[in-house]
Amino acid sequence: GDSVTQMEGPVTLSEEAFLTINCTYTATGYPSLFWYVQYPGEGLQLLLKATKADDKGSNKGFEATYRKETTSFHLEKGSVQVSDSAVYFCALADSWGKLQFGAGTQVVVTP
Amino acid sequence: GAVVSQHPSRVICKSGTSVKIECRSLDFQATTMFWYRQFPKQSLMLMATSNEGSKATYEQGVEKDKFLINHASLTLSTLTVTSAHPEDSSFYICSAASTGPMGEQFFGPGTRLTVL
Repeated sequence: GDSVTQMEGPVTLSEEAFLTINCTYTATGYPSLFWYVQYPGEGLQLLLKATKADDKGSNKGFEATYRKETTSFHLEKGSVQVSDSAVYFCALADSWGKLQFGAGTQVVVTP
Repeated sequence: GAVVSQHPSRVICKSGTSVKIECRSLDFQATTMFWYRQFPKQSLMLMATSNEGSKATYEQGVEKDKFLINHASLTLSTLTVTSAHPEDSSFYICSAASTGPMGEQFFGPGTRLTVL
């Protein structure tokens, strides 16, 4: 079945550092790919998405490119802020619209 | 826009009792709602998909008689955990999509259930 694997956390880094969270997937067909963010005490929010190969999703300084050849959708941000501290989930949606989530990566940004 | 609420946010109950969790789409009509379960430091696991006016579709391994789902209107879905036991303690999250299961899902803040 479909699955999503993302790097384990926590990832701790200083403000203005570069952030990368790796995400790879296995799927039949051509899924859509997503990054969700969960801030402390809040529900998941869609951060960005890509629906086909080579698409780049971007939002709030975060970017991820749908790489079919490497089955990856790595999340990057060039300069993180303390307010980016959260748990980040990579996910794919199958042809039925069902979301399959990775385990989540906690990111802690220190001043 | 696209706000989804859940009630209650936290609930503690005794073993053997039933607990109802509500999921509401506040500013849009949700043709499809999803229920997830999240264990500590783990991912969200889809439990079931519900479409307004029809029976829910449960994922493999989820007991439909234990987790009753009702989607009676386009803005409300409920999850009832029947005869709850300590192993049912978890974080339950709902999401709602306005354009069917393929539409973007908007997530509620979750409900923390603790069964004593």
